[in-house]
Amino acid sequence: QVHLEESGPRLVKPSETLSLACSVSDGSLSGYYWSWVRQPPGKGLEYIGDIYYSGSTNYNPSLKSRVTISVDTSTNQFSLNMNSVTAADTAIYYCARADRSGWYGYFDNWGRGTLVTVSS
Amino acid sequence: SSELTQDPTVSVALGQTVRITCQGDSLRRYYASWYQQKPGQAPLLLIYGNNNRPLGIPDRFSGSTSGNTASLTITGTQAEDEADYYCNSRDSNGNLLGDFGGGTKLTVL
Repeated sequence: QVHLEESGPRLVKPSETLSLACSVSDGSLSGYYWSWVRQPPGKGLEYIGDIYYSGSTNYNPSLKSRVTISVDTSTNQFSLNMNSVTAADTAIYYCARADRSGWYGYFDNWGRGTLVTVSS
Repeated sequence: SSELTQDPTVSVALGQTVRITCQGDSLRRYYASWYQQKPGQAPLLLIYGNNNRPLGIPDRFSGSTSGNTASLTITGTQAEDEADYYCNSRDSNGNLLGDFGGGTKLTVL
C-alpha cells in the first residue's frame, strides 16, 4: 500500500504563497495521477488539481490562475503552490493518488491531510 | 461550483439498508466514485467504476447508476458506517476527477 504524507507551513499570510509537498513511499509515481484535494473546516471536498507522473497537469478552473502542481520523480515527491492566498483558502489539504480509466476516475490512496491556515 | 447534488443528511436504522444518491448530468455517461470520511480522517475510497470495491472494503457497500443518478447502497448498516459520504465524477470540462458532490451525512439510529 502506497503511503502519502503532506508537509509544509501550517500558517500562511494573506497574499503570500502556500507551498506543500507530498512524499510518496512504498510505491512509484509511475502510471498514476498525483492529486491535491482540499476541505475547508466543516465543509466538503474540493478538487484542486493533479499531475501525471510524466508531468501533464489538470486544474480546477476556479483555481487554475493561482495553482501550480509539479512532480519530482527523483525524490518521489509532488508539490502544490497556490499564490495570492486569502482566508478562503484556509483548509485541510490532502494529497492523493488517482487513476483515470475511460469512463471513470478515482482517488485510491490519501495522505492524512494538513491544516493550512491563512492569517496575518 | 459542483454539478453533483447530494442530500445533506440521511438516516438509517441499525441493520437496515440505506441508499445515498448523487445526481448530475455527467452520470448519464460517466461513473461516480464514492468516498467515506469519518471525523478527523482522510476520505476512504469505497466504490469506483462499475461497482468495483478496493481490497478491504466490505461487500455491504455497493454502487449503481440509473439515468442521471448514482447510488451508494449500504446493506445491513453498521454503527461504524456513520460518516460523511462523497461522490466524485467528471466535471463539465471533461476532467474525470474534477467534481465532488457536497456530501451526505449518514446517521445510524
